Amino acid sequence: DIVMTQSPDSLAVSLGERATISCKSSQSVFKSSNKKNHLAWYQQKVGQPPKVLIYWASTRESGVPERFSGSGSETDFTLTISSLQAEDVGIYYCQQYYSSPKWTFGQGTKVEIK
Amino acid sequence: QAQLEQSGAEVKKPGTSVKISCKASGYSFRTYYMHWVRQAPGQGLEWMAIINPSGGSTSYAEKFQGRLTVTRDTSTSTVYMELSSLRFEDTAVYYCARDSSNIIPSYMDVWGKGTTVIVSS
Repeated sequence: DIVMTQSPDSLAVSLGERATISCKSSQSVFKSSNKKNHLAWYQQKVGQPPKVLIYWASTRESGVPERFSGSGSETDFTLTISSLQAEDVGIYYCQQYYSSPKWTFGQGTKVEIK
Repeated sequence: QAQLEQSGAEVKKPGTSVKISCKASGYSFRTYYMHWVRQAPGQGLEWMAIINPSGGSTSYAEKFQGRLTVTRDTSTSTVYMELSSLRFEDTAVYYCARDSSNIIPSYMDVWGKGTTVIVSS
C-alpha cells in the first residue's frame, strides 16, 4: 500500500499568517495516462465529516476560498493556507487515489491559532 | 444538491454485527461510486470499502476481508455497510462518502455526517 506521511503533526499559526503542510507518498501518485497527480486534501473541523479542499493535487474544489492552494508532484505535496483565518482551525488530511481500490490517507495535521 | 443521510448511532457487544445505512439524494444514485471510511476516537481516516451502485461490485480493504459486506438497494438509493465479529477496536465513526467520478473512482466529494458505533461489553 502507498503510505502517506504528513508533517508536521500539528502547527500553530497567527491569524493572517501562512500555514504550510507537507505530504509525502511512499511512491509516485502521478499517472502518465492522464498526466495528473492523484492526490486530494481534506479539512475536518471538530464534530464534522471531512470536506474536500483540493483534488488532482492543485485543483480547488468549488466554493473553497482562494487562500487554500495545493502544489507538488509525484511524491511531494504541499497544502498552503496563505492567510490563516479563525475558521480554518481543524485537521487536514492528504489522500492518494492512485492505487485504486486501496485509498490511503495521511495521519493528519492539526492546525491551531497561535 | 447531493446529500448522504446516515442511520443513527449503535451500541453493540463484541462478536456481534452492525449494519449502517446511507441514503443518497439530490443526484443520480447509480452514477457515482460510494465509499465507506471510518475514524476511531482521536484517530485519522481509514478507507474501508467501495461499491459501484450500478452493478453492485465491491472492493474491500484487506484488513476487513471476510467480515465486511457492503450492499446497495437501488430502489431506495441506499448503501449498507455491515461489519461482523465486532471488536472493541471497531469503535469508531463510520462515514459514507460519494466518489467524485462516474468513470474511474478517485476522491470523495460528498460525505455523510457519520454514524457512531460503540463496541462495549
